[in-house]
Amino acid sequence: GESVGLHLPTLSVQEGDNSIINCAYSNSASDYFIWYKQESGKGPQFIIDIRSNMDKRQGQRVTVLLNKTVKHLSLQIAATQPGDSAVYFCAEKSSARQLTFGSGTQLTVLP
Amino acid sequence: SQTIHQWPATLVQPVGSPLSLECTVEGTSNPNLYWYRQAAGRGLQLLFYSVGIGQISSEVPQNLSASRPQDRQFILSSKKLLLSDSGFYLCAWRTGSGYTFGSGTRLTVV
Repeated sequence: GESVGLHLPTLSVQEGDNSIINCAYSNSASDYFIWYKQESGKGPQFIIDIRSNMDKRQGQRVTVLLNKTVKHLSLQIAATQPGDSAVYFCAEKSSARQLTFGSGTQLTVLP
Repeated sequence: SQTIHQWPATLVQPVGSPLSLECTVEGTSNPNLYWYRQAAGRGLQLLFYSVGIGQISSEVPQNLSASRPQDRQFILSSKKLLLSDSGFYLCAWRTGSGYTFGSGTRLTVV
């Protein structure tokens, strides 16, 4: 069936290093992708989004890359900070479906 | 300003007891509203969504039900809770192309 999933369940990075969180999707009809950050005990917060007609989008310290050929999405966080420690979810949306979430990656920033 | 409120934040209920979780939004009209459940260490599973008063769509068969009695109110209910209903319940509303989430309710069924 259709799914959105993540390659790695956990990721540890040193403070100041760059982080890369990956996501694979299988729905070729997806036209919109979102990255969410969820801190412990809180609801997910929007980070950045990208439409399927784009391959890159940049925000403040974050960049999302979309490779439609291999159905792969990544979130890059520059100069990772302790406050970036959280679970990160990718989500995809198509006209025929509601927003579908992946299982999440736990990012831990080491001092 | 546009805000979403969800309560209670935590809830411990015995098996077989009823459930009522409430979600309200402010600063918008006729929003699309959603209930998600998140099991520990897992992703978000869509339970119900509503595009208007009295209109409920269920994504998965389960022990839960939802109602939309008012434009900005979305309620998640159960007549008899099961142990498997434990989880983190999130209300969301569609804002533009994305969703804005409430702060969640941690439900533990004992």
